[in-house]
Amino acid sequence: EADIYQTPRYLVIGTGKKITLECSQTMGHDKMYWYQQDPGMELHLIHYSYGVNSTEKGDLSSESTVSRIRTEHFPLTLESARPSHTSQYLCASSGWNRGNSGNTIYFGEGSWLTVV
Amino acid sequence: GDSVTQMEGPVTLSEEAFLTINCTYTATGYPSLFWYVQYPGEGLQLLLKATKADDKGSNKGFEATYRKETTSFHLEKGSVQVSDSAVYFCALLRGGYNKLIFGAGTRLAVHP
Repeated sequence: EADIYQTPRYLVIGTGKKITLECSQTMGHDKMYWYQQDPGMELHLIHYSYGVNSTEKGDLSSESTVSRIRTEHFPLTLESARPSHTSQYLCASSGWNRGNSGNTIYFGEGSWLTVV
Repeated sequence: GDSVTQMEGPVTLSEEAFLTINCTYTATGYPSLFWYVQYPGEGLQLLLKATKADDKGSNKGFEATYRKETTSFHLEKGSVQVSDSAVYFCALLRGGYNKLIFGAGTRLAVHP
């Protein structure tokens, strides 16, 4: 089992609020990812990081931003939430460690965001 | 570019029926292939994987074989249970990139 944690699991906020979704992993993985998934739909990569101080945009354009100041932490921030941001956000990580060939991506349990 | 195509759902089966969910891929080189499962209200869990041609991944009674000649990685289970009801995602990972490319997902509903 992978040790990757997301908080909050569920969040309902008003339009215009700033929110940060937290993601932490305890495996020392160098690569981390954020995926966005609407209910019952495909997953889309919105951000990824190959290590500390490295962040890149994913395949799907997103108004969110990310930072990677520490290896274990990869928070996602929305400066001004809108109803169109309502979705599930999944954090993931991969890297070389004992028992992992390095090419497996492990996911957190997801953060369900509803903007009203 | 790289892509993954899964059979459309929902797939509806009775308990103890045989399951096949088709997955084909397009990729350059030799990608690793994965099946992930997503239970209602949860994130993705790795179900099984295969890293080279003819490898068979297996877990919890599920199996999939990496077929390079047909570019396929079909998921099978001999006898499904109600608890297998979930959405199943096929994915590929091309070496050196470490970014998963997902199929659209296939919803499985198993009835008693």
